[in-house]
Amino acid sequence: QGHLVQSGSEVKKPGASVKVSCKTSGFTFASYSISWVRQAPGQGLEWMGWVSGYNSVTTPTQGLQGRVSMTTDTSTSTAYMQLTDLRSDDTAIYYCARRTFLGYLDSWGQGTLVTVSS
Amino acid sequence: DIQITQSPSSLSASVGDRVTMTCRASQGFSEALAWYQVKPGKAPKLVVFAGSRLEDGVPSRFTGSASGTEFTLTINSLQPEDFATYYCQQYYTSPYSFGQGTKLEIK
Repeated sequence: QGHLVQSGSEVKKPGASVKVSCKTSGFTFASYSISWVRQAPGQGLEWMGWVSGYNSVTTPTQGLQGRVSMTTDTSTSTAYMQLTDLRSDDTAIYYCARRTFLGYLDSWGQGTLVTVSS
Repeated sequence: DIQITQSPSSLSASVGDRVTMTCRASQGFSEALAWYQVKPGKAPKLVVFAGSRLEDGVPSRFTGSASGTEFTLTINSLQPEDFATYYCQQYYTSPYSFGQGTKLEIK
């Protein structure tokens, strides 16, 4: 099983950007993709997309295209998710998760709370 | 896009009970569906993948099944640690949509 540790909580103003990190260990980073999922307060899980640990190719959800950027640093086995032009409805817990070859998510980070408030 | 409808949205049960929750997909696909357990303040946990395969370490009281576009998660003999919110997710095609969640509460 993989181990994923995310960066700490963030508070941002509307219009700002946030970058969340997800440091992985316990597996070969290049053999997996990292998915990002978020959960707004009182809401369900929302799939955001994934980034390949092999070639950094991304597959973001259409609803966030243009605002979300998913990258990797293979030298530290770390994935990053940056969200720009933040709005209040971006307030959520953001999770990273290891995406298996088949597509399901078998190991998850502890979550990062991002609060967008003026 | 594939839409997933999960029901019920909440469920109240006692320790020792058997409960069932269901996800219905808007179109047919292979058994590319997973179930996750989510507890407040904890990392979500994979319970079932491929519709019916139990993740390593998950107790055998959890059972996943699939029939056409309907997927079911059954928990037999509920234990205190099972009370959580459960989500299904299809990973057949992007976007990998989640169900709305079933909150399992202690009666």
